[in-house]
Amino acid sequence: DAGVTQSPTHLIKTRGQQVTLRCSPKSGHDTVSWYQQALGQGPQFIFQYYEEEERQRGNFPDRFSGHQFPNYSSELNVNALLLGDSALYLCASSSPKTGGTHNEQFFGPGTRLTVL
Amino acid sequence: AQSVTQPDIHITVSEGASLELRCNYSYGATPYLFWYVQSPGQGLQLLLKYFSGDTLVQGIKGFEAEFKRSQSSFNLRKPSVHWSDAAEYFCAVGPYGGYNKLIFGAGTRLAVHP
Repeated sequence: DAGVTQSPTHLIKTRGQQVTLRCSPKSGHDTVSWYQQALGQGPQFIFQYYEEEERQRGNFPDRFSGHQFPNYSSELNVNALLLGDSALYLCASSSPKTGGTHNEQFFGPGTRLTVL
Repeated sequence: AQSVTQPDIHITVSEGASLELRCNYSYGATPYLFWYVQSPGQGLQLLLKYFSGDTLVQGIKGFEAEFKRSQSSFNLRKPSVHWSDAAEYFCAVGPYGGYNKLIFGAGTRLAVHP
């Protein structure tokens, strides 16, 4: 059973560019959450997708957007990149259908984004 | 405000020594508490979780954590540390039901001396 997978592993962009990160959830999961982890900090919640809709959003600007596909995979898009967007971007999947409402999140290995 | 505080940024222990990592939380609703571990260049792995029941929970790799509601704490412990336990440890809190946004602490980096 494959866990949460993310692509690419690493990415280097320049300021002002746009980037798309991808995530495939763990088998049987239908909910995807995205987190940003800056160097030396804990992960910060960006947003969560369920049934192809954004259900909850953290304190991130509109430059951060996402999408969920019918197969539950998800994309995170960041426009007009800033130096401060350099971070590890983590995807987590979960499912309220498994384990009841104990929404345990399983994390992927992350995508390391460097903005120059 | 909802928050998680991990007071210790770095901790160094000798292999075989006991370990306790501290976590304090502030959360308005019934908290669902987690400890995750992150090795360099890797994602987060769940060590253990707590929602209700016995306040001492057992996790993987020999870790346990104790929930103390009166102190708003959820400290992680291990009786004997192995060199492979060197990593960063994150405490997190989230809602029991509904949309499960997790709030993480800043992490504690654990170094293990041989």
